[in-house]
Amino acid sequence: KQEVTQIPAALSVPEGENLVLNCSFTDSAIYNLQWFRQDPGKGLTSLLLIQSSQREQTSGRLNASLDKSSGRSTLYIAASQPGDSATYLCAVDYGQNFVFGPGTRLSVLP
Amino acid sequence: DAGVIQSPRHEVTEMGQEVTLRCKPISGHNSLFWYRQTMMRGLELLIYFNNNVPIDDSGMPEDRFSAKMPNASFSTLKIQPSEPRDSAVYFCASSFGRTFSGNTIYFGEGSWLTVV
Repeated sequence: KQEVTQIPAALSVPEGENLVLNCSFTDSAIYNLQWFRQDPGKGLTSLLLIQSSQREQTSGRLNASLDKSSGRSTLYIAASQPGDSATYLCAVDYGQNFVFGPGTRLSVLP
Repeated sequence: DAGVIQSPRHEVTEMGQEVTLRCKPISGHNSLFWYRQTMMRGLELLIYFNNNVPIDDSGMPEDRFSAKMPNASFSTLKIQPSEPRDSAVYFCASSFGRTFSGNTIYFGEGSWLTVV
């Protein structure tokens, strides 16, 4: 069964800290992996997409890595800001379906 | 582009009533998805259309749910009759391409359904 898990479920950090969010998946036969951000009452916004052949992707203060063999991806957020507060979800593309993780709820305190 | 547009944003209805949720995908996208999000089950794919044709409806929970895509710019998700356990946020999303591979998916802001 294709399952995606994320830890921690929730995280609270002071502004300025660097932090890491984790995503694990059970089936390594993936096409790509995406990280999304969801603000309360809103839809999902794609942050980064990593193809299965890539090891990492960067966008601004965000860096996502992918290790297919171990079934893991991490999202690194540098110099966190209160505006980063949201729920972060990873989603694994298995070709005909995305399987979403449950998300990590991040709070960055000013 | 205005993005994926969903309506209504919020709906409160009584058990047994018919509910119709609407979606306008991003112009030029040929794949459309309906997802349901709940606290207990997270995000679940209900149905996926490609070029207006349903490709995978294995996530549709039961016969009370139906979805149509009469043209490239409009889709509906209907629940008849509605039940309290259908209360959730229903998201529509679209992308360009036959599969998800390598294509960013764009989500609407969701339809918040409460069945009382």
